[in-house]
Amino acid sequence: AQKITQTQPGMFVQEKEAVTLDCTYDTSDQSYGLFWYKQPSSGEMIFLIYQGSYDEQNATEGRYSLNFQKARKSANLVISASQLGDSAMYFCAMRGIIQGAQKLVFGQGTRLTINP
Amino acid sequence: NAGVTQTPKFQVLKTGQSMTLQCAQDMNHEYMSWYRQDPGMGLRLIHYSVGAGITDQGEVPNGYNVSRSTTEDFPLRLLSAAPSQTSVYFCASSYRARPNYGYTFGSGTRLTVV
Repeated sequence: AQKITQTQPGMFVQEKEAVTLDCTYDTSDQSYGLFWYKQPSSGEMIFLIYQGSYDEQNATEGRYSLNFQKARKSANLVISASQLGDSAMYFCAMRGIIQGAQKLVFGQGTRLTINP
Repeated sequence: NAGVTQTPKFQVLKTGQSMTLQCAQDMNHEYMSWYRQDPGMGLRLIHYSVGAGITDQGEVPNGYNVSRSTTEDFPLRLLSAAPSQTSVYFCASSYRARPNYGYTFGSGTRLTVV
């Protein structure tokens, strides 16, 4: 079974600072993918970034990067130069690639608040 | 390109009533899923489907039924609504052969059972 743990229920960061959102995972699969989604107050789920378990480099998408440490089973999201519009719920999720690809498993989420 | 369309966006039910949440996608995705979102618990999988005619239970299936007669549609039925089913429901879909694609989500249905 796959499990995602996000230990930060809420975080408060000053605008323009970098922020790291923690995510640890547990799986017996050898091949898997890790995702981060953003959920603003409007409620929609927005895909941010993907990291494959066999990717040698950390994924980056604009101001988002994923700090992937396979041995520690962690996949932290780093947001550089935070903006007020980054205030939202953030979810870490994973799915298998060979097995379990039909299920996306989510963590509990972290509510990020950016202060001006 | 509509993506994943959920209806209705809001619904209030009385305890014991039944209803169907509709979900349709136009991306020819093989995988479709229903999640519920409750405060502090993230998104939990209710039911999922890997193709037309094939469905399976997720983490919290009790009180819900699904069917998938076409690739496009995946309705979620509440058989006899209970206050514990008050939640936000999301439908999502994905390609089978593109695991890095993640899932595309609908805009959600906010359900209140009184």
